Amino acid sequence: QQNVQQSPESLIVPEGARTSLNCTFSDSASQYFWWYRQHSGKAPKALMSIFSNGEKEEGRFTIHLNKASLHFSLHIRDSQPSDSALYLCAVRGRNMGYKLTFGTGTSLLVDP
Amino acid sequence: AQTIHQWPVAEIKAVGSPLSLGCTIKGKSSPNLYWYWQATGGTLQQLFYSITVGQVESVVQLNLSASRPKDDQFILSTEKLLLSHSGFYLCAWHPSAETLYFGSGTRLTVL
Repeated sequence: QQNVQQSPESLIVPEGARTSLNCTFSDSASQYFWWYRQHSGKAPKALMSIFSNGEKEEGRFTIHLNKASLHFSLHIRDSQPSDSALYLCAVRGRNMGYKLTFGTGTSLLVDP
Repeated sequence: AQTIHQWPVAEIKAVGSPLSLGCTIKGKSSPNLYWYWQATGGTLQQLFYSITVGQVESVVQLNLSASRPKDDQFILSTEKLLLSHSGFYLCAWHPSAETLYFGSGTRLTVL
């Protein structure tokens, strides 16, 4: 049974700051990793994904994956008030069929 | 382009009453479809998935059932609602790239 935990639970940062969100998972055979962002009252939307160890950058967002440490993270450069949302990491294992396990969530507030 | 539509947008129901939530996807044949549930501010819990018409797999038992009567339709239902059923219900699908795409969701309040 995959266990996915996120930290911190909530975060307040000033506009323009660099923000780091963390996700740990328990299944070492996990192969697929995502970050989803959910604005208040809306459906989650995929932000970025990574499928192999290393780093991936898209605009202000960077994902870093370290499978050996069972850890991946999302870094937001120059945080904006529009980045205020619930961030959910998601993991799928090699033999988990169609089951995607979401993390516990990090609530981010960017203070203008 | 594919579109996913959920209905209704919101429901307020009494404990013990029946419920039916729907989801349709247009522009994609034989999609993999999923139902997720989210408590307020909480994580997403996968409830059911379906890869073809008439076939549904249950992931967790929450006194809910699901059906796939048509290729583009996925229905979530129960005959008797519990207080614990309150939350945000999301239908989702994924193309071959694995990323899940969610519908706009149904907010359910059980009183």
